[in-house]
Amino acid sequence: SQQGEEDPQALSIQEGENATMNCSYKTSINNLQWYRQNSGRGLVHLILIRSNEREKHSGRLRVTLDTSKKSSSLLITASRAADTASYFCATAGAGSYQLTFGKGTKLSVIP
Amino acid sequence: DAGVIQSPRHEVTEMGQEVTLRCKPISGHDYLFWYRQTMMRGLELLIYFNNNVPIDDSGMPEDRFSAKMPNASFSTLKIQPSEPRDSAVYFCASSPPILGQTEAFFGQGTRLTVV
Repeated sequence: SQQGEEDPQALSIQEGENATMNCSYKTSINNLQWYRQNSGRGLVHLILIRSNEREKHSGRLRVTLDTSKKSSSLLITASRAADTASYFCATAGAGSYQLTFGKGTKLSVIP
Repeated sequence: DAGVIQSPRHEVTEMGQEVTLRCKPISGHDYLFWYRQTMMRGLELLIYFNNNVPIDDSGMPEDRFSAKMPNASFSTLKIQPSEPRDSAVYFCASSPPILGQTEAFFGQGTRLTVV
């Protein structure tokens, strides 16, 4: 079964706007990661946030983690057409190397 | 490093045929994962290896699926006999040996179509 569940399933925005995607999970985690997948390609790691962290930034990306609510959000600021892709959250449990992925959010950025 | 290399990129085969997917992980990565991606079920972990040893194969759907890692630089996922419902994109990924603290590096995937 899937650990992470992203919402929305699809998001369409204009270039320059911010995009926010959410992820909820069910069990305790060691860390949570976000990945991007361009159509027909493999997944690319974006950012990792540990369970004892609440917020992390990387360029135009901002990730938050609320372990009490078992949820995370990914914010992409000043979106570009090149950000069009599917975004997945993945969780790693304590003492585990396994990553469990959600079904992803499909983001479309309209030029 | 060239990253995780998978072959073939595309495979079309007839039902009942044997299919072998191949993966070369990033050098120095002790962990290797096989995932399957479909529209209906998303990304599913099939099996993963640590230092060439299978650790968890609970995601392997049926006995028709088998995976091996004969050495640190090569792994195969075999389906015998293949069925149309096996059609999916199969990804291989590898990770360095830092428990839970680092990302997985994915290959470009093999798109399998069973007709």
